[in-house]
Amino acid sequence: AQKITQTQPGMFVQEKEAVTLDCTYDTSDPSYGLFWYKQPSSGEMIFLIYQGSYDQQNATEGRYSLNFQKARKSANLVISASQLGDSAMYFCAMREGLKDNFNKFYFGSGTKLNVKP
Amino acid sequence: GAVVSQHPSWVICKSGTSVKIECRSLDFQATTMFWYRQFPKQSLMLMATSNEGSKATYEQGVEKDKFLINHASLTLSTLTVTSAHPEDSSFYICSVPPGGRSTGELFFGEGSRLTVL
Repeated sequence: AQKITQTQPGMFVQEKEAVTLDCTYDTSDPSYGLFWYKQPSSGEMIFLIYQGSYDQQNATEGRYSLNFQKARKSANLVISASQLGDSAMYFCAMREGLKDNFNKFYFGSGTKLNVKP
Repeated sequence: GAVVSQHPSWVICKSGTSVKIECRSLDFQATTMFWYRQFPKQSLMLMATSNEGSKATYEQGVEKDKFLINHASLTLSTLTVTSAHPEDSSFYICSVPPGGRSTGELFFGEGSRLTVL
């Protein structure tokens, strides 16, 4: 089974509007971390936001927020007030187990976001 | 966040030649580094874990004689693609676990785009 599933290969959003990028995960480990990364066309991976499995509140970082629904095993990324510079690939990722288990780091297939002016 | 430098950012080589990619952790010592491979419009796949002072750990299906990894110091890991062929053309990206951070996200280098003619 896929550890991380991103069902939206591509998304369009109008500038200044909000957009939600979907992510579901699969793990039986009670300890895990969920991450979102942005990959512009230049290729570098930019860390955006983190949610721990034991965190009670949804994570927020500026215009990014993570809609964490543990029972549904979903970790959707919400970008508010989209900007043209937000156009990029977005990857959802999960680290299974404790925070030092970096070899248990799984990535989804990504969502290509296009922000229209 | 952690600064990870990768070089070269892109390289074109002839089939049969070897190519070395360097990954440097600039602001802290890393006993472990990770090498990922990304095909166009696909996700990141872990190739191997680079361990300072010992042999790298390769993921299933990755040829260790093809992709030589050396982690000679706490700040440098190298990936050498030996006898490169066109099917080795890909985006290679290294990452470093920062350690000690509460969120445990991976930090990535800028990536190296390899084209084998």
